[in-house]
Formats: sequence, structure tokens, C-alpha cells
Amino acid sequence: GNSVTQMEGPVTLSEEAFLTINCTYTATGYPSLFWYVQYPGEGLQLLLKATKADDKGSNKGFEATYRKETTSFHLEKGSVQVSDSAVYFCALSEGGNQFYFGTGTSLTVIP
Amino acid sequence: SQTIHQWPATLVQPVGSPLSLECTVEGTSNPNLYWYRQAAGRGLQLLFYSVGIGQISSEVPQNLSASRPQDRQFILSSKKLLLSDSGFYLCAWKGGNSNQPQHFGDGTRLSIL
Repeated sequence: GNSVTQMEGPVTLSEEAFLTINCTYTATGYPSLFWYVQYPGEGLQLLLKATKADDKGSNKGFEATYRKETTSFHLEKGSVQVSDSAVYFCALSEGGNQFYFGTGTSLTVIP
Repeated sequence: SQTIHQWPATLVQPVGSPLSLECTVEGTSNPNLYWYRQAAGRGLQLLFYSVGIGQISSEVPQNLSASRPQDRQFILSSKKLLLSDSGFYLCAWKGGNSNQPQHFGDGTRLSIL
């Protein structure tokens, strides 16, 4: 079946540090992959997506590359800011009715 | 453009009382609609989804029910709330049977006393 595994948090970084949040997936077909961000007290917002192997999704300085050979979609940012503090969710969809979400990784950036 | 509205934003209810949370989508037709629950510090639990009017799929048997009386309206209900129903409820929509992303509402914080 389909599933998403992302690294356990919480993650605490200093401002301007490099961020990596690991995400690996299991899928029966050729899924699309997504990263969502959830700020405190809010719903999830789509951060970026990739629809096929080797695609790179990017937005607001965040990037993730769809790696079919390693079934991974790791989220990276070169220099985090305090405003990036949030919970990040990796997700996949194979075009059916369901989405499969990871358990979320909490990021705190300290000045 | 498409928008999704959820209300209320926060709700405090006593144990045993009924519940009705509403979600509406604008700017699209025949969306897939979803209800999720997020317990404090936890991930997302899919509760219900709907691919059309009157069509509801339940993912987890529990004290809640869902209805879709109109194409762009999705309602989460309970006849008698339990303490364990506390959480953050999120509605989401997606464009049909596609690899497009889900789009979420702002959520309802439900506290049961």
C-alpha cells in the first residue's frame, strides 16, 4: 500500500542554518508528491509539489526533488528564518480519492 | 479562484451535546471533499471523504458522521460528543480524480468540556 515516512521532530535550528527534513514514500504506482506547511492555529498550506521523477518543486526558498530511485522527497532550505517555524507535512497522491500524509515535523527557528 | 471556508473557527461544547461543523468551497464544481482530525501534536487522521452529493466514505468508525447535501457543502456532525472528540478539524477539497493537491480550510478548534 501507499505510505509516507518523515523524520521525527522536533527540529530546532538557529536562524540562517541549513534545513533538511527527510521524507520517504511507498507507492504502488507513480505518485505526485507534496510538502505542506502548517503555522500555529492554522490549516495546511501547500508549500511545493512535484509530479514526476526528477522534478524539483520550489517555493519561498524551499526545495524538494522527486527521487524515484531512493523513493524520497526531502525538503531543504539554505537559510531558515524565524518565520519558517511551523509543522511540515510530506504527502503523496496517486490520483485517486485519498492523500497519504506523513506524521509531520515540527520546526522551531531561534534568533 | 477557489476558496474554502470553515466555521466556526473555535467551539467549546459540553460532553453529550450535538455538533455541526460546516465547510463550503467556492470557485470549483464537483470537488472531492475531506474531513480530517488533528489531535494536539499529532498528524492528520482522515475521517470522511466525498466524491459527490450524498456520497460519503467513512475511514474510521466513530462517534461522528458526515453529509454532503450540496455539491460544495460538507458537514461534520455528531449527536453526542465525547471527550475524545476534542481536536482540530480540517476540511479540504481536491479537483476530482487527479494528482492535484488538496487545499485546506483554516480549521475548527473543538474543545469538549
